This record gives sequence, C-alpha cells and structure tokens, in this order.
Amino acid sequence: EVRLVQSGGGLVQPGGSLRLSCAASGFTLSTYWMHWVRQAPGKGLEWVSRFRVDGSGTDYADSVKGRFTISRDNAKNTLYLQMNSLRAEDTAVYYCARDIHHRRLDPWGQGSLVTVSS
Amino acid sequence: DIQMTQSPSSLSASVGDRVTITCQASQDISNYLHWYQQKPGKAPKLLIYDASNLETGVPSRFSGSGSGSHFTFTITSLQPEDIATYYCQYYDFFPITFGQGTRLEIK
Repeated sequence: EVRLVQSGGGLVQPGGSLRLSCAASGFTLSTYWMHWVRQAPGKGLEWVSRFRVDGSGTDYADSVKGRFTISRDNAKNTLYLQMNSLRAEDTAVYYCARDIHHRRLDPWGQGSLVTVSS
Repeated sequence: DIQMTQSPSSLSASVGDRVTITCQASQDISNYLHWYQQKPGKAPKLLIYDASNLETGVPSRFSGSGSGSHFTFTITSLQPEDIATYYCQYYDFFPITFGQGTRLEIK
C-alpha cells in the first residue's frame, strides 16, 4: 500500500523553527516529485513547495521563499520541510503529497498542525 | 498564472439529491483538472483526475466532465458520507492552483 506518514509539527513562537517529516512506504520517494501543501484554519488549500526528481531543484511559494527549505533523505525514504523565521500567518495544517505525472497529487499524508503563537 | 473559480462556495442538499459543482479556468487548460474530497479533519483525497476519470475505488455516483475552461463535478445521489469540502485543482508543471472549495452539507 502506498502511504505517506507525517510527523513533526506543534506550537512554536514567532521567529522560531520547526521541521516536518513525511515518511513514504509502498514506493520509492526518489522516483517521484513531492510537494508540501498547507491549509490555514478554516481556509482552502495553498501549495507551499516542490522537490523535483531530477535534482534540478526545488520550488517555493513566494510566501515562504527564503524561509522554508524542502529536502529529501533517500536512504530513509523521507521528505522534509524545514521552516525557519516562522510567522503567525504560517499557522496551518501542512500536508505532503506525491506528484503524479506533474498533473495531480496522490496520495496525501495525514497532515501536521503547525501553530505559530507567543 | 491561471486562476480557478469554483462555485458555489457552499451547498446544502438532501440525501438522494443530484449535486453539481463547477470550476472555471481563466484560460484553456485542456483536461488538466482534478477533483478532491476533504472530509473534516482529514487530508484531501483524489476522486476524479483528468476531468472525467474516476480514481480506483471511488463510488460511481461521483463523476466529472468538461474540457477547456469549464468543468463540472457531479454526485448523482448524495449520501450522508459525502459530507465534505470539494476542491478542483489545476497543475501543468507549475504552478499548482486550487479552487476555493465547495462545502457540501446535508439538509
């Protein structure tokens, strides 16, 4: 079964840092582009970041560029999102998701709640 | 960037009703349009891909149609377990764009 299991998240003060993890099973992470998508409380879905297979790089939404870093550990089959300089507006549930043919996202992880508050 | 306009933003219907949600793209996106279901407190789940293809295991009461810039998502006979928010999504290499979502409730 193809699954994504997330860990990390929690309460952090403004300006703080947090790292989210997304462990893949049932497929090899390194052969797929992977994404992070977030959802602020009561709001819709917002794409955050993408890790491309070919090593050509990563992409970020303007709202997180320069503060968030997406990475991958092939040996652990795990995707990460390092979040620095966190702001109140970063408060959201963060989901990892697998990219299918650069068209759709499936499956999704169960989500990790990040709350930025003093 | 291409914008996706989804309507309505909320919808109340009775069990057994036919429910329709639309998604309008700001330009021609071929059939690169997908539909997700998000139940309260859960992650989004892919239901329909490439405008009209039903994901494996998804009940046949769900369907999608359209191409170009106008797309429709339909539930032919609403069931209580269909209570969720539904999102359309467009993605062609970059960027990824979601509709605003349609919150579906039972009357």
